[in-house]
Formats: sequence, structure tokens, C-alpha cells
Amino acid sequence: DAGVTQSPTHLIKTRGQQVTLRCSPKSGHDTVSWYQQALGQGPQFIFQYYEEEERQRGNFPDRFSGHQFPNYSSELNVNALLLGDSALYLCASSFRTGRTLDTQYFGPGTRLTVL
Amino acid sequence: DQQVKQNSPSLSVQEGRISILNCDYTNSMFDYFLWYKKYPAEGPTFLISISSIKDKNEDGRFTVFLNKSAKHLSLHIVPSQPGDSAVYFCAAIVNDYKLSFGAGTTVTVRA
Repeated sequence: DAGVTQSPTHLIKTRGQQVTLRCSPKSGHDTVSWYQQALGQGPQFIFQYYEEEERQRGNFPDRFSGHQFPNYSSELNVNALLLGDSALYLCASSFRTGRTLDTQYFGPGTRLTVL
Repeated sequence: DQQVKQNSPSLSVQEGRISILNCDYTNSMFDYFLWYKKYPAEGPTFLISISSIKDKNEDGRFTVFLNKSAKHLSLHIVPSQPGDSAVYFCAAIVNDYKLSFGAGTTVTVRA
């Protein structure tokens, strides 16, 4: 079982550019959540995808958008990058049974640096 | 809004002794609490959890205690081992969708 995988591992962009991060969930999982972890802080919830739709969203601007594909993998897109977007972006997958969400398992993250 | 707080950024403990990590929360609607462990260059790894209807959950060397009236939970690690050196995050969940994390506590286990 490969677990949750993310790509790329590291990424360097300049202000104003756009970036796409990718996540493949753990086998058997159907729900993907994205988190942003700034230096010295805990992860902050961005949004969650289930059945190819954004189900919940945290306090992040519309510059942050996402997508979930039929195979449950997901992308996180960030437009008009700001210096403050520099962070570790974590993907977590889980299995939803009805309204109950199983424990979320995290990938290794993508380190985004905006210059 | 920081609904989950870990007020101790670091903890140093001798190998074999007990490590006690603390966490406070403000949202009384949280119905599940979790602890995650994170090594450098890796994602957080689930460690142990507790439902809001319980006050204690134990798994091997790890025990989590929940005091709902004080809105406080703690993680006990006994005995502490060198491999336990990591960052520990307290997290809470409501309505089964969003994990709210504390800022983390860095644990260093001394030989």
C-alpha cells in the first residue's frame, strides 16, 4: 500500500505565478482534504473534496481552488501567488461512510517557496 | 481563530521517563480529538484519538486523557524512547470534516 503520495516534493515560484499541486489518496480512500502549514504553525484546513465536489472550505481566498478526479486523486491550484503562500501543503485522505469520516492520513507534503 | 492551543512549544525528557503533552481547546462542539506525530520531511502520522464521550483512551505506551469541563486534553507517553523525538500536534474535529490543529510541541528524548 503506497499510502498518500504528493507531487512535487519541492517547488519554487515567483509572485504572481500560478501553481498546481497533486495528491493521490491512500488505496480505498475516497475523500481528500488539503491543509497549509506555515513555518512554526499547525496545519490549517483549506478545503475537502468528496465525490468530485468541494464539500467544505476553510478561511482561504478564492485564489485557492481544487479538483478531484474520478479516481479520487486531487489537485490544489493557487493563482496570483503571494509571498505569504510560502508553506508546506499537506494532503490528507480518508474514507467516508455515510456522514462519518474515518481518520485522515497525511502525505509527506509539497514545500512551496514563493520569491 | 485559534480554537486548539498547545502552549508549550517544546519539551525535553529523559529516556525511560514520562512525557506529558498538553492541549487546550475553546470550541465545545468538538466531538473527536486526535494526536499526530510529525518527523521532519514527512507528513503528520496519526497516533491516537479519543471521542468526546470518553475521558481516557490507551494504546500501548500512549494514553490520551480528556477533561471536557476544563476543555483540556493531554497525551502521556510512557516510557519515552529516542524514536519519540518529533513534533506532536493536537487536533480536534467537528461535523466530521475539518481538523483544527494546535501549533505543535517539539519533544526531545535525551539518552
